Amino acid sequence: GAVVSQHPSWVICKSGTSVKIECRSLDFQATTMFWYRQFPKQSLMLMATSNEGSKATYEQGVEKDKFLINHASLTLSTLTVTSAHPEDSSFYICSARRVQDNSPLHFGNGTRLTVT
Amino acid sequence: AQSVTQPDIHITVSEGASLELRCNYSYGATPYLFWYVQSPGQGLQLLLKYFSGDTLVQGIKGFEAEFKRSQSSFNLRKPSVHWSDAAEYFCAVGALAGTASKLTFGTGTRLQVTL
Repeated sequence: GAVVSQHPSWVICKSGTSVKIECRSLDFQATTMFWYRQFPKQSLMLMATSNEGSKATYEQGVEKDKFLINHASLTLSTLTVTSAHPEDSSFYICSARRVQDNSPLHFGNGTRLTVT
Repeated sequence: AQSVTQPDIHITVSEGASLELRCNYSYGATPYLFWYVQSPGQGLQLLLKYFSGDTLVQGIKGFEAEFKRSQSSFNLRKPSVHWSDAAEYFCAVGALAGTASKLTFGTGTRLQVTL
């Protein structure tokens, strides 16, 4: 159980376009999901905390107008990279946690974004 | 502020040899500690976690870790490494209450296994 699905697994887009990444908790409800960014051979950096039915909480230095997060239901959060630039190319990973217990975060398989 | 240090960026071990990956943390309260493994181009898989109780925790794939409060450490061990264990390993610290559920990750240790 506790499966987190992330889609797409990889995407290539042109500069100036927007890309949407979906994160779904398949077999549990997650009122909170987290979006991380990982640069090559580096650790995961938390970008934002996505709260169902309310605005996301962004970490310092993360542009909320560039990285739009929507958590419309208990099983789905989306991250939209708006007006993408090559420097946005990265590996984006979402995670979610069941709220019923002290279970740890479960991670999706990530999305490799390449902006050309 | 919480932080995690993984002193070893890269470790190479022979298949069948024992393994220990180091992790030191800084946290203002009782920490929740985790070890995750990441294969290239993949997400993270939880190996094990420590919340409370027995300081030696067992995880999947034959891994274990020991929480040592006096040393602020949570080192990961495996008695006999398999070639399939080659991956990136991340130690993480955090809390699980409400918005404090976010984790802080170490920079990772890349494990290479030679045959």
